[in-house]
Amino acid sequence: GAGVSQSPSNKVTEKGKDVELRCDPISGHTALYWYRQSLGQGLEFLIYFQGNSAPDKSGLPSDRFSAERTGGSVSTLTIQRTQQEDSAVYLCASSLVQGKGELFFGEGSRLTVL
Amino acid sequence: KQEVTQIPAALSVPEGENLVLNCSFTDSAIYNLQWFRQDPGKGLTSLLLIQSSQREQTSGRLNASLDKSSGRSTLYIAASQPGDSATYLCAVSGTYKYIFGTGTRLKVLA
Repeated sequence: GAGVSQSPSNKVTEKGKDVELRCDPISGHTALYWYRQSLGQGLEFLIYFQGNSAPDKSGLPSDRFSAERTGGSVSTLTIQRTQQEDSAVYLCASSLVQGKGELFFGEGSRLTVL
Repeated sequence: KQEVTQIPAALSVPEGENLVLNCSFTDSAIYNLQWFRQDPGKGLTSLLLIQSSQREQTSGRLNASLDKSSGRSTLYIAASQPGDSATYLCAVSGTYKYIFGTGTRLKVLA
């Protein structure tokens, strides 16, 4: 597509439920990143994918968080047993070349856990 | 560990003023530095990318400079307009990870 696409744009869920957030990067971009932005806070790195290499999961805050990238394109971030502190905007970004290319962001998925 | 700081955290200026936003980083071993703009409730929009071998980049009324040795970058906005009101973030990349500053919230008053 023309840009990075994320869905859903907004998600309200109850504490304890599982949620899935989807990211469709720019076509041809091999690097894909997930970040989290809490209210009034900076961007927190979550996970990074580069091609078929093993992802860097060092930023995932707990084992309730997981992500996968199928076929080197679309990525899904899954949060199990959601907690209120998971409420944030989850941003996906992609770049053509890992670490050296321009980074392009989607509009984000706003998650609210009641 | 790379740390990125942006000063000031917030800035309010009258329309027409030229202004400078600052970004500093602790580890000079970077591949590039990128400036973004974020409007409320939106994602980040890329403004300028400066590769490590470059000193500056320009786009319209925006000019970004990079001094790797001192760990600093500045974003210069000429003739500011109310539409420039947004949060501006800088990010530096190492091997692959982009580290972000916490941003400068800019308000341009009409």
